[in-house]
Amino acid sequence: GAVVSQHPSRVICKSGTSVKIECRSLDFQATTMFWYRQFPKKSLMLMATSNEGSKATYEQGVEKDKFLINHASLTLSTLTVTSAHPEDSSFYICSAPRLAGVGSKNIQYFGAGTRLSVL
Amino acid sequence: KQEVTQIPAALSVPEGENLVLNCSFTDSAIYNLQWFRQDPGKGLTSLLLIQSSQREQTSGRLNASLDKSSGRSTLYIAASQPGDSATYLCAVRWGRGGSEKLVFGKGTKLTVNP
Repeated sequence: GAVVSQHPSRVICKSGTSVKIECRSLDFQATTMFWYRQFPKKSLMLMATSNEGSKATYEQGVEKDKFLINHASLTLSTLTVTSAHPEDSSFYICSAPRLAGVGSKNIQYFGAGTRLSVL
Repeated sequence: KQEVTQIPAALSVPEGENLVLNCSFTDSAIYNLQWFRQDPGKGLTSLLLIQSSQREQTSGRLNASLDKSSGRSTLYIAASQPGDSATYLCAVRWGRGGSEKLVFGKGTKLTVNP
């Protein structure tokens, strides 16, 4: 079953509205989560690293005031697309690293993604 | 600049064929490399993870190899099935300073025809 839950899976909104996307780690804690976006026929691009209890780290070219990230607990990170416009329409995916087992390295688990369409 | 490239961008094969997907990366000082599968409009499913100290990993009909010195990884799929049709993504973690950031290739879209 899924170890990272992302909600909603699909959002259609009017231009100018704000949209919140949630990413939850199930039965494990994640002090760090990652937010990616994917345009059609393009690769996933990291937008920002969400850090529990501190500010998110944004990649170059990503507007932090446009894409608000809150990592309020060890199992939840939210991405809010503020004043969304048609060019923000994309597929947004979150991920969280989890230890694969004792002595193992972290493996990234991904949510199912959120398809955002801004009209 | 750390980049990941996947070739080919798309591949169509008949059912039962063995096939190889390629991934190349700049900067051989990787931490690990991971292969994912993505179905249309869906999230990612991790297939195989190869640590920098490993040469290959196997899971069922899948085998991933890693050659750091040449900056390459391959994903071998044996006896392909229509259910293998998906986009396969290669992602590299360079991880300096403990960063778990992944850099993805653009993927190879695989179609296995019955």
